[in-house]
Amino acid sequence: AAGVIQSPRHLIKEKRETATLKCYPIPRHDTVYWYQQGPGQDPQFLISFYEKMQSDKGSIPDRFSAQQFSDYHSELNMSSLELGDSALYFCASSLVVSGRLQETQYFGPGTRLLVL
Amino acid sequence: AQSVSQHNHHVILSEAASLELGCNYSYGGTVNLFWYVQYPGQHLQLLLKYFSGDPLVKGIKGFEAEFIKSKFSFNLRKPSVQWSDTAEYFCAVAYSGAGSYQLTFGKGTKLSVIP
Repeated sequence: AAGVIQSPRHLIKEKRETATLKCYPIPRHDTVYWYQQGPGQDPQFLISFYEKMQSDKGSIPDRFSAQQFSDYHSELNMSSLELGDSALYFCASSLVVSGRLQETQYFGPGTRLLVL
Repeated sequence: AQSVSQHNHHVILSEAASLELGCNYSYGGTVNLFWYVQYPGQHLQLLLKYFSGDPLVKGIKGFEAEFIKSKFSFNLRKPSVQWSDTAEYFCAVAYSGAGSYQLTFGKGTKLSVIP
């Protein structure tokens, strides 16, 4: 079965640079989520999109932005990178119909970002 | 704010021992409950989920969990662990009031199984 695809899998950037992470949800899933997992930490919710509109916002820094495109893929844009942004960034997708969760979140393999 | 607490930070067991990992959540409304497993360097994999119905849910790899609404708990169990179960286990909750049902995770329990 198709899974959530993320690219790139690994990314090395320097401080103050920008990065763009991409996520391709499971086909027919309408909701995309971004999570950040620091070393030894639990995943923290950043932001979500439902039907291409921002749905909820968590602990996402103002330096980050995200969007969901017409084909449902999503991109997380990170600017002015800081050392503390080094983490694993997961994308997940699910199916929410009429405000009810129909299918649980399935996670992609993650993008490991290292900021030097 | 809603929260999820996992009772144990690190659990060490011998193979064939029984496992129970505790999970409690703070929200009193309708919730969807999950357990995810994360092998070293890997992504989160869904072990099992509870949406409604039978409070005893069975998942993959022989895991099961019981939802006890009165105790706000969703404990994970496995009767006999294997070395390959060594991983980190996260309990997660999606609240019905949280628009897109984003997950709130517990801090995780690291399980080490000794052969």
